[in-house]
Amino acid sequence: GAVVSQHPSWVICKSGTSVKIECRSLDFQATTMFWYRQFPKQSLMLMATSNEGSKATYEQGVEKDKFLINHASLTLSTLTVTSAHPEDSSFYICSAVPGQKYEQYFGPGTRLTVT
Amino acid sequence: GDSVTQMEGPVTLSEEACLTINCTYTATGYPSLFWYVQYPGEGLQLLLKATKADDKGSNKGFEATYRKETTSFHLEKGSVQVSDSAVYFCALSANTGGGNKLTFGTGTQLKVEL
Repeated sequence: GAVVSQHPSWVICKSGTSVKIECRSLDFQATTMFWYRQFPKQSLMLMATSNEGSKATYEQGVEKDKFLINHASLTLSTLTVTSAHPEDSSFYICSAVPGQKYEQYFGPGTRLTVT
Repeated sequence: GDSVTQMEGPVTLSEEACLTINCTYTATGYPSLFWYVQYPGEGLQLLLKATKADDKGSNKGFEATYRKETTSFHLEKGSVQVSDSAVYFCALSANTGGGNKLTFGTGTQLKVEL
């Protein structure tokens, strides 16, 4: 149980285009989902907290207009990287929290490469 | 702010060797502490956790004890296997009003050879 999927697993896009990444909780409902960014050989950096039915809470330094987060249902959150640039190339990871339970369940990540 | 420091890798060990991956933290209040493992091509999985001082988390032969006096949560295993090869992340949650936010260390890659 407690499986989280991400789609796509990897994507290559051209500079200036937008890319949408989906995060789904497959066998539980998640009132809260988190989006992280991971650079090579570095830690996971929390980008934002996504709550179903409300606006996402972004961490300091993360551009809200560039990284659009939508948590439209209890099983789906999306991250859209708008007007992507090569510096946005990274590994994006989501996690989901089942209701009141404390533990975060992580997706396998999405590798974004912007050319 | 909160931070987690863990030893740099990669750590290369022979099968059946003892493992210690050091982790220290800085946080206000009394955080909960976690070790996550990331196997190649997979997402992070919770390995073990401890929620208060002197608690010992254990799973799959791995152990870590919450040491408040030294602000540490070192990961240990007495005999590693090739299947333990992965990246290990130490993390904390301050249990603040921000919800279940996690602060991660940089990760330590473990390679176990025959």
